[in-house]
Amino acid sequence: GAGVSQSPSNKVTEKGKDVELRCDPISGHTALYWYRQSLGQGLEFLIYFQGNSAPDKSGLPSDRFSAERTGGSVSTLTIQRTQQEDSAVYLCASSSGTGDNQPQHFGDGTRLSIL
Amino acid sequence: TQLLEQSPQFLSIQEGENLTVYCNSSSVFSSLQWYRQEPGEGPVLLVTVVTGGEVKKLKRLTFQFGDARKDSSLHITAAQPGDTGLYLCAGVRPGTYKYIFGTGTRLKVLA
Repeated sequence: GAGVSQSPSNKVTEKGKDVELRCDPISGHTALYWYRQSLGQGLEFLIYFQGNSAPDKSGLPSDRFSAERTGGSVSTLTIQRTQQEDSAVYLCASSSGTGDNQPQHFGDGTRLSIL
Repeated sequence: TQLLEQSPQFLSIQEGENLTVYCNSSSVFSSLQWYRQEPGEGPVLLVTVVTGGEVKKLKRLTFQFGDARKDSSLHITAAQPGDTGLYLCAGVRPGTYKYIFGTGTRLKVLA
């Protein structure tokens, strides 16, 4: 497809387990963003990639969270030793650049539930 | 600190009514975007406004960026059930790349 693809769409796991979330951006988009959305709330910025580099990791909630991007394309967000407060929808967006008028294209998110 | 406050948080109206959603900040933004999000899906961009005082129309939706580029409004004329969803504003601070999202307005239009 031509849009941003995220997998899995849903993930249920036990507290303490590690999870890996995947984002496949639109082909050619150099900028990639990860956000977290709690139930019915606005989006919380987590991390931004320009190419394979992450110039700003300040939104990551703790050192249990990490993200990488390879080949300027696919990105993975990893949460280690998950806690119940990590339960949320994790959204990925990509854009063709970082200029003011560059629209973000979002995937449908991964709904993460920690038991 | 929430830099973008949206009001109202919730709105339930009858089909055919008009409504306005506000997005306010004490900070200046170089651009501001409005998104609509439906359950189980990611936000979808409706419009981007860049110039202070700019007004953009998208069918029954009218978007305005404040003169000082600190606030924005979304006005819907003759709302329809298909307008139901979560409306989000997002701003970019000058000299940055980071999108700051508002708190969201959940709209329900009853038939």
